[in-house]
Amino acid sequence: GQSLEQPSEVTAVEGAIVQINCTYQTSGFYGLSWYQQHDGGAPTFLSYNALDGLEETGRFSSFLSRSDSYGYLLLQELQMKDSASYFCAVRDPREGGQGGKLIFGQGTELSVKP
Amino acid sequence: ETGVTQSPTHLIKTRGQQVTLRCSSQSGHNTVSWYQQALGQGPQFIFQYYREEENGRGNFPPRFSGLQFPNYSSELNVNALELDDSALYLCASSLSPRASGNTIYFGEGSWLTVV
Repeated sequence: GQSLEQPSEVTAVEGAIVQINCTYQTSGFYGLSWYQQHDGGAPTFLSYNALDGLEETGRFSSFLSRSDSYGYLLLQELQMKDSASYFCAVRDPREGGQGGKLIFGQGTELSVKP
Repeated sequence: ETGVTQSPTHLIKTRGQQVTLRCSSQSGHNTVSWYQQALGQGPQFIFQYYREEENGRGNFPPRFSGLQFPNYSSELNVNALELDDSALYLCASSLSPRASGNTIYFGEGSWLTVV
């Protein structure tokens, strides 16, 4: 089956850097996305990697290694408002990777302490 | 603000009842997907609608059904509610079924509690 694994929780302090890892097992691959969700609200898109390497968007960066079936989200200069759940997700390869059908990891709850 | 609105935001139903959840997609978006998110879990794909037709379904029983209307708004219906149906139900809209991650927009969700 298709599955993604990520740590259940991570704690860090304000101003620090934190890395949230995601490993995936899928029969095909069409890119890895990262979403942020505050208190069960709307997941909001953070970053997307279709190819190996690092994508940088402000304080957030995401990395992908397709040979290792592995990616991570890097959050720099942590702020209290970054306390949220973070999900990695892949497009469902069983549907030819057609966009809206995403498979999500279980989520990592990030707690940022003062 | 994603432009995707869902209603109701919270509701409580009794086991065995039926529920209808609604989603208004972002203007111009013809594709709507529904997800179920249990507490502490990631969202699970229920089904997708594209131009009023079902365009794929996840591992959910037939008592989960949906509709998409000509204006591309959508409904999720769940019959014979079970306690395990208690979850956040998320709607996501996009310009096409092939939209990539940064062009899929989620609503705030509808919290359903079954007692």
